[in-house]
Amino acid sequence: DAMVIQNPRYQVTQFGKPVTLSCSQTLNHNVMYWYQQKSSQAPKLLFHYYDKDFNNEADTPDNFQSRRPNTSFCFLDIRSPGLGDAAMYLCATSRATGAADTQYFGPGTRLTVL
Amino acid sequence: GQNIDQPTEMTATEGAIVQINCTYQTSGFNGLFWYQQHAGEAPTFLSYNVLDGLEEKGRFSSFLSRSKGYSYLLLKELQMKDSASYLCACMDSNYQLIWGAGTKLIIKP
Repeated sequence: DAMVIQNPRYQVTQFGKPVTLSCSQTLNHNVMYWYQQKSSQAPKLLFHYYDKDFNNEADTPDNFQSRRPNTSFCFLDIRSPGLGDAAMYLCATSRATGAADTQYFGPGTRLTVL
Repeated sequence: GQNIDQPTEMTATEGAIVQINCTYQTSGFNGLFWYQQHAGEAPTFLSYNVLDGLEEKGRFSSFLSRSKGYSYLLLKELQMKDSASYLCACMDSNYQLIWGAGTKLIIKP
């Protein structure tokens, strides 16, 4: 089945200790997104890639970085996690960025910062 | 600024019908999406509307009025498994999705 996969599903890290979250897709979609979602809040877009073209949202903190080494994989690096970075991190893909290009989500990684 | 408004929480009874409303103000409009999100899980796509009117898909229907900046999601024959958050998201003129905070739907037996 074509899908979006995220690993790990649950990640615990210590305050200030770098962490990397991964996402892969078998949909062969051009666009990949990283969202941060806190409880009862809207997903907040951090980055998106159209192929290898990287797009950083204006209010994404410098503490967050991303890599997309190939079409299938995308990584989210949090350089120095703070307590406020504890959240669900959602990876999504879409065929393109036009109207009606539905975003399909992976299961998410829940990050806990101790 | 861009804004999506939807009720925070709604309660309904199993077997009944519920309507979840969404109003939006965005710079441009390229369609409106509804997603379902169960607690602790990722959003899953339900519907997309770009033209005015009602789109029916089984027990779920979605309505759009562009002139009023308004949409609703209608859920019929409610089942316990429909307990979830329902997220409304608008695509603006830059093809960016603007998300609402979601409506938590609680189904009671």
